[in-house]
Amino acid sequence: LAKTTQPISMDSYEGQEVNITCSHNNIATNDYITWYQQFPSQGPRFIIQGYKTKVTNEVASLFIPADRKSSTLSLPRVSLSDTAVYYCLVHSGYALNFGKGTSLLVTP
Amino acid sequence: SQTIHQWPATLVQPVGSPLSLECTVEGTSNPNLYWYRQAAGRGLQLLFYSVGIGQISSEVPQNLSASRPQDRQFILSSKKLLLSDSGFYLCAWVGHGNTEAFFGQGTRLTVV
Repeated sequence: LAKTTQPISMDSYEGQEVNITCSHNNIATNDYITWYQQFPSQGPRFIIQGYKTKVTNEVASLFIPADRKSSTLSLPRVSLSDTAVYYCLVHSGYALNFGKGTSLLVTP
Repeated sequence: SQTIHQWPATLVQPVGSPLSLECTVEGTSNPNLYWYRQAAGRGLQLLFYSVGIGQISSEVPQNLSASRPQDRQFILSSKKLLLSDSGFYLCAWVGHGNTEAFFGQGTRLTVV
C-alpha cells in the first residue's frame, strides 16, 4: 500500500495559482493517482486522476513526473470557494485510503 | 443517474447504546461500498469496504462492524457505542471497474 505525504496546510491569496505536491515514493506500477476536495461537513469530491505525465480538466491540472514518485495538483487562479481540504490518493486495489490531506486557505 | 443515500444526517447517542447507520446506492449494480470516519479536524479513516454481498473487509479493528445484506445496501453497526466513536461517518461507492468514489452526505454522530 503506497503511503502518501502532503503538506498539512497551505495559504494563498485569491487569484493566485496554487500547487500542492504529494510524495508517494513506493508507488506501484498499477497505482493511479487521484485527488479529491472536501468542504467542511461534506464528503470528498473527485477533482482529477492521472497515471503519468500531465492531465488537465476544467478545474485543475495534475503533473506527474516520469518516476511517478510525486504528483502536483495545480489550481489556477484560486477563489475563496477553493478553501477546502485536498487529498492525494495512490491506489490500484479496492482500499481507498485518504489520509489527512492538505488544508488550503484562500484569503482576499 | 446514480445516487447515494445516507441517513440519518445527525445522531446523538448515549454511551453503551447500539448503532445502525444505513447507506444505499441507486442507479448502479455491484458497486464497491465504503465506510469512513472523520474525527474533528482529522483526516478520513477507512473503516470497511465491500466488493460484493456479504463480503466485508475491515481496515481498522474497533468497536464497529459492517454488513452488506443487499447489493446496494451497506450498514455500519455497533453493539455498544464508546465516546471515541463520535465523528463524521461517510459512505461512498465506486462503480464496478471504475476508480472514482462518490460520497454520501455523511452522518454526524455524537456519543454522550
